[in-house]
Amino acid sequence: GEDVEQSLFLSVREGDSSVINCTYTDSSSTYLYWYKQEPGAGLQLLTYIFSNMDMKQDQRLTVLLNKKDKHLSLRIADTQTGDSAIYFCAETNDYKLSFGAGTTVTVRA
Amino acid sequence: DADVTQTPRNRITKTGKRIMLECSQTKGHDRMYWYRQDPGLGLRLIYYSFDVKDINKGEISDGYSVSRQAQAKFSLSLESAIPNQTALYFCATSDKQGSYNEQFFGPGTRLTVL
Repeated sequence: GEDVEQSLFLSVREGDSSVINCTYTDSSSTYLYWYKQEPGAGLQLLTYIFSNMDMKQDQRLTVLLNKKDKHLSLRIADTQTGDSAIYFCAETNDYKLSFGAGTTVTVRA
Repeated sequence: DADVTQTPRNRITKTGKRIMLECSQTKGHDRMYWYRQDPGLGLRLIYYSFDVKDINKGEISDGYSVSRQAQAKFSLSLESAIPNQTALYFCATSDKQGSYNEQFFGPGTRLTVL
C-alpha cells in the first residue's frame, strides 16, 4: 500500500543479521506488525509492537519503532535458511491493515 | 486442520467468465476480509465484513462482489473476469480486540485470467 513503504529485496549471508526497514505515514497507528509469507503460503504474524513502545524483543527478533520518524525495523539475528521469505510491514488503526509491498529476504550460504 | 481454508487453490479461467472464490474459517471470528496480492504492490483490501449483515467495500472493490453466507463463510465473486484480475487472492479473519487487529490468513488462491 502507498501508506507503508519498504525496500523490495534483501540478500543476507547465513548467520549474519538481517535488518528490514519500513516507513509509514499514519501517525495515529496504534499497532504495527510484521508478517512473514513463506513460498506458497499465506501470511503469518511474526511479531507486533504497540505504538507507545520503542523496542520489542522476541528471541531472534528485535523490532524498533521510531514514532517521530514513522520508521519501523525488524532485525533477525543469526539468519537461517528458513528465514528466506517475504516480510510485510503493516499498520493498523482500528479494523484496517495497510501493508507495505513486502521485502523478499534471500539467505545465501 | 487449517483454521482458514480457501477453495480452489488454483484457477485458470477466460476473460468474461464468472468466478467464485470461497473462504471458510473455524476460528469463530466475526470479521472476514478479502485481499489481492500483486508483485511489488503488497496486499490490497477488496472487501471486508464485520458480521453476516455488515459488508463493506475496500480500496479496490470495482469488478468484485462478495457474499457472507454465514459467520464462517465469505465468498468473493468476479462477475466477468478480466486479465488484470490475475493475482493471488487471500482471505483473512480477525477477532475484535480493541485496536489490536491480528489477522489470520488462508493459504491463498492463485487466479489466472486469460
